Amino acid sequence: GEDVEQSLFLSVREGDSSVINCTYTDSSSTYLYWYKQEPGAGLQLLTYIFSNMDMKQDQRLTVLLNKKDKHLSLRIADTQTGDSAIYFCAERIGFNTDKLIFGTGTRLQVFP
Amino acid sequence: ETGVTQSPTHLIKTRGQQVTLRCSSQSGHNTVSWYQQALGQGPQFIFQYYREEENGRGNFPPRFSGLQFPNYSSELNVNALELDDSALYLCASSQEGTGNSPLHFGNGTRLTVT
Repeated sequence: GEDVEQSLFLSVREGDSSVINCTYTDSSSTYLYWYKQEPGAGLQLLTYIFSNMDMKQDQRLTVLLNKKDKHLSLRIADTQTGDSAIYFCAERIGFNTDKLIFGTGTRLQVFP
Repeated sequence: ETGVTQSPTHLIKTRGQQVTLRCSSQSGHNTVSWYQQALGQGPQFIFQYYREEENGRGNFPPRFSGLQFPNYSSELNVNALELDDSALYLCASSQEGTGNSPLHFGNGTRLTVT
């Protein structure tokens, strides 16, 4: 089946690292994505990883993929108050499709 | 580079009415998809359009329909609105619909059905 799960809430102190976790069930995933959603806004693409990679780094963001355990994580280094938002992981199943399966989102709160 | 734009930003309709939402894809993108995001949930795939034809659909009834125009812009139409249709409707675009191009989303249309 197609299911993506995330923890609902994460609270971190400014300057610390944040790690947001995600698990998925479909082994046919081709790409996995992280999106950020601020209040009242749409989804902002943060980063994505091809399913045959196990790590991708992009400035403060590090994505780790454990395909065997179907586990994806997003690490944000030096977390800032501007990083407070809801973070969604999503998987794309197969090619020739724009259908993404989203998790329910993790609300990240950064406090000073 | 122009991003994905959607209109209107907010809309209030009455149960039973019909609504049309509009989307302009990001420049260079030719595939458009629509998502419904209920409050507190992740977005759910409605359908996608490529070369002006629907070529993928999620678990939504036929009263949800769409169009894609030659300039790659798109419309989402919902007939016989129900209270549960109240949600944020997101449009996304990508390049060529090959599955290799990441989706870029607009800011959405907030639909309230009373």
